[in-house]
Amino acid sequence: GQQVMQIPQYQHVQEGEDFTTYCNSSTTLSNIQWYKQRPGGHPVFLIQLVKSGEVKKQKRLTFQFGEAKKNSSLHITATQTTDVGTYFCAVKYNFNKFYFGSGTKLNVKP
Amino acid sequence: NAGVTQTPKFQVLKTGQSMTLQCAQDMNHNSMYWYRQDPGMGLRLIYYSASEGTTDKGEVPNGYNVSRLNKREFSLRLESAAPSQTSVYFCASRVGGEGKTQYFGPGTRLLVL
Repeated sequence: GQQVMQIPQYQHVQEGEDFTTYCNSSTTLSNIQWYKQRPGGHPVFLIQLVKSGEVKKQKRLTFQFGEAKKNSSLHITATQTTDVGTYFCAVKYNFNKFYFGSGTKLNVKP
Repeated sequence: NAGVTQTPKFQVLKTGQSMTLQCAQDMNHNSMYWYRQDPGMGLRLIYYSASEGTTDKGEVPNGYNVSRLNKREFSLRLESAAPSQTSVYFCASRVGGEGKTQYFGPGTRLLVL
């Protein structure tokens, strides 16, 4: 399967600080998806990136896909307590199977 | 429209017992998935089904069997549970094709003693 490395594993921030998580692959990706999982919950789709160098924004969240399509990042500006959770990237391999990164757990102190 | 439903929510098994986890979706999706999530880790694909009657192994299929009897339902069976199968199990469904998101069920928390 196609593997992605996700860093950092944990991030603790003060409310209002920024947060970034990264996914890196050794091979070129066709696309990459991002999911958020609240504590005790299930993963929820955030966004998909397809094009080289693509940047998409959702309010305080900014998603980027690298020029070589081997890495991606999710940046949250001015975190809020509602941002708490684990953020996963996911890549497709073998037609319709998905490989998930190990996730970055975000904790926000009020 | 309930989305993806899973039963049971919680289950405790003894080593060697068997059980079936049920998953159903009402979104008319072709593709369905079973994942397991261990503490502090990402999701690992157990089995995948592209359509009714077809299944394919994922990253960690050993110790599991699946059945896709119709478009709505995709079940996961543990024939002889082991403590290493203690995990949270998520079912997901997807329309299929490029760029389509997966919709996840609420999960089944399984403890094998």
